[in-house]
Amino acid sequence: EAGVAQSPRYKIIEKRQSVAFWCNPISGHATLYWYQQILGQGPKLLIQFQNNGVVDDSQLPKDRFSAERLKGVDSTLKIQPAKLEDSAVYLCASSFGLSNTEAFFGQGTRLTVV
Amino acid sequence: QKEVEQDPGPLSVPEGAIVSLNCTYSNSAFQYFMWYRQYSRKGPELLMYTYSSGNKEDGRFTAQVDKSSKYISLFIRDSQPSDSATYLCAMSVISNFGNEKLTFGTGTRLTIIP
Repeated sequence: EAGVAQSPRYKIIEKRQSVAFWCNPISGHATLYWYQQILGQGPKLLIQFQNNGVVDDSQLPKDRFSAERLKGVDSTLKIQPAKLEDSAVYLCASSFGLSNTEAFFGQGTRLTVV
Repeated sequence: QKEVEQDPGPLSVPEGAIVSLNCTYSNSAFQYFMWYRQYSRKGPELLMYTYSSGNKEDGRFTAQVDKSSKYISLFIRDSQPSDSATYLCAMSVISNFGNEKLTFGTGTRLTIIP
């Protein structure tokens, strides 16, 4: 079974630039999560999708972050404009149902904002 | 006060030792208690989860929950160099949006010395 695929693996941008991350979940998984993991901290949920609908985006900084999941499969997370404090690993996870105990994580995209 | 507190370590122990990793929490509404292992530059992977007070064993790993003290532990017996990783505790609660939401600890970096 193929895992959760994310790209790019690494990205370095200057502050105020924009950036986009891509996630391809495990085939058949209806639920998709985006997490932000700042160095030395645990992951924090940014947004959760169920198919192509948003379940929870309460911790997504909507003035600069956006996410979409077209056709209920792949998803993109965008930051525009980026700030220094956005430097983090952005993790995508997916699960068949709504339970976190079934979720599998991708390797993440490491973003550095300079 | 953070909802979940975890000793960040780092923790170094010799191969074969018993390892104890701990978290405390403040939210009585937490329902599931999980332990994740995260290797360097990888996404977290779920090791174990439980929802009741007491012990749950899986091979060399034992998860312990004490709801009265709001304290959870992960014990690793006969530790191996391959156990070297960051261990994250996580706890779930049903959010106002109806989804199961995880709150992670900051992680403990563990090194097993051959």
